[in-house]
Amino acid sequence: KQEVTQIPAALSVPEGENLVLNCSFTDSAIYNLQWFRQDPGKGLTSLLLIQSSQREQTSGRLNASLDKSSGRSTLYIAASQPGDSATYLCAVNSGGSNYKLTFGKGTLLTVNP
Amino acid sequence: DAGVIQSPRHEVTEMGQEVTLRCKPISGHNSLFWYRQTMMRGLELLIYFNNNVPIDDSGMPEDRFSAKMPNASFSTLKIQPSEPRDSAVYFCASSLEYREVSQPQHFGDGTRLSIL
Repeated sequence: KQEVTQIPAALSVPEGENLVLNCSFTDSAIYNLQWFRQDPGKGLTSLLLIQSSQREQTSGRLNASLDKSSGRSTLYIAASQPGDSATYLCAVNSGGSNYKLTFGKGTLLTVNP
Repeated sequence: DAGVIQSPRHEVTEMGQEVTLRCKPISGHNSLFWYRQTMMRGLELLIYFNNNVPIDDSGMPEDRFSAKMPNASFSTLKIQPSEPRDSAVYFCASSLEYREVSQPQHFGDGTRLSIL
């Protein structure tokens, strides 16, 4: 059974700092890995999707990497801003299906002005 | 473009009552998902529809839960009878699946359900 772990559970940084969020998964037979952002009282917003054949994806100040063999992914946020404050969730698509996402519990990020 | 629309946003009801949650997916999307989010268990997939057909309902916790998708633009998740342990945030998401290549799922803002 796939298990996804995110460390740390919470992170507080000053504005402008570069930061890394970590995600690990137990079964390396994945279709893809996705990073989501969740704001309080809101649904999830997809940030980046990395297919199993890819090593990384970039969008603006965000860069996500994938190392299937070690079961790890990182989300790098450059020059953090207070508006980046949210919970970031990692989800892995695996288990013989191309739709079933297993989510981590998330990292609560606070960027202080 | 309108995103995934869920109603109601909040629902408070007494144990034993029937609860119906509603979802309108993004127009043109052919896959629909119902999730439940709790502090203890995080986000869990309850059921997945593709082209209005239930494909995987292995996450539905009990027979008290049922879901339907009568057409491409509407789905319901029903709990009958409801119990306090059903209290959670329920999300609906949709995506466009093409030739089994995964696409990002788009989430609604959820329904916060409280069963007293």
